[in-house]
Amino acid sequence: QSALTQPASVSGSPGQSITISCTGTSSDVGSYNLVSWYQQHPGKAPKLMIYEGSKRPSGVSNRFSGSKSGNTASLTISGLQAEDEADYYCCSYAGSAHVVFGGGTKLTVL
Amino acid sequence: EVQLVESGGGLVQPGGSLRLSCAASGFTFSSYWMSWVRQAPGKGLEWVANIKQDGSEKYYVDSVKGRFTISRDNAKNSLYLQMNSLRAEDTAVYYCARDSSSWYYWGQGTLVTVSS
Repeated sequence: QSALTQPASVSGSPGQSITISCTGTSSDVGSYNLVSWYQQHPGKAPKLMIYEGSKRPSGVSNRFSGSKSGNTASLTISGLQAEDEADYYCCSYAGSAHVVFGGGTKLTVL
Repeated sequence: EVQLVESGGGLVQPGGSLRLSCAASGFTFSSYWMSWVRQAPGKGLEWVANIKQDGSEKYYVDSVKGRFTISRDNAKNSLYLQMNSLRAEDTAVYYCARDSSSWYYWGQGTLVTVSS
């Protein structure tokens, strides 16, 4: 049950696009189309932004998109806005009802 | 409106026990898997445990196996986490969440501090 690998930090200017990677293994990300992404602002509960790899819950901006290639999933945020500054976590189903998170990525909007 | 409200957190000594509760409302509790997810201060999220609708299946992260027990009472719309043999590294905010993964609904969290 090793954690998924995310970059510790990414940054971008307003209006730009950024991508956060999430690397797992053939036992989790690579085996299931069940990667989700969460946004978390300080002191708040996480918010689901992407589920099943690329689906957006109702109410989530279409500036957020998800994809997967092999053992690596990605979250792309286009048209960066100040309110996007937050921590982002990827998460994958890992079989036998187990779930594993990434270490988190701090997004800074310059 | 779906609501999840955790309670039971607090300060406990190493080796001690604590029972967390999560009161659910706004949905048919007995129809959903439920989970506990925790976050140590300044650290990332970690899935802790989940439980099937009827309680017949329970799964745990390796670090809490044998020490924590997840349970539910569908008649009371409540989820529980019994935590025994607590360690300093169990210090975290504990969230309950609806479903076994891809959690849309979360509680506000309850802080557990393990310290002497």
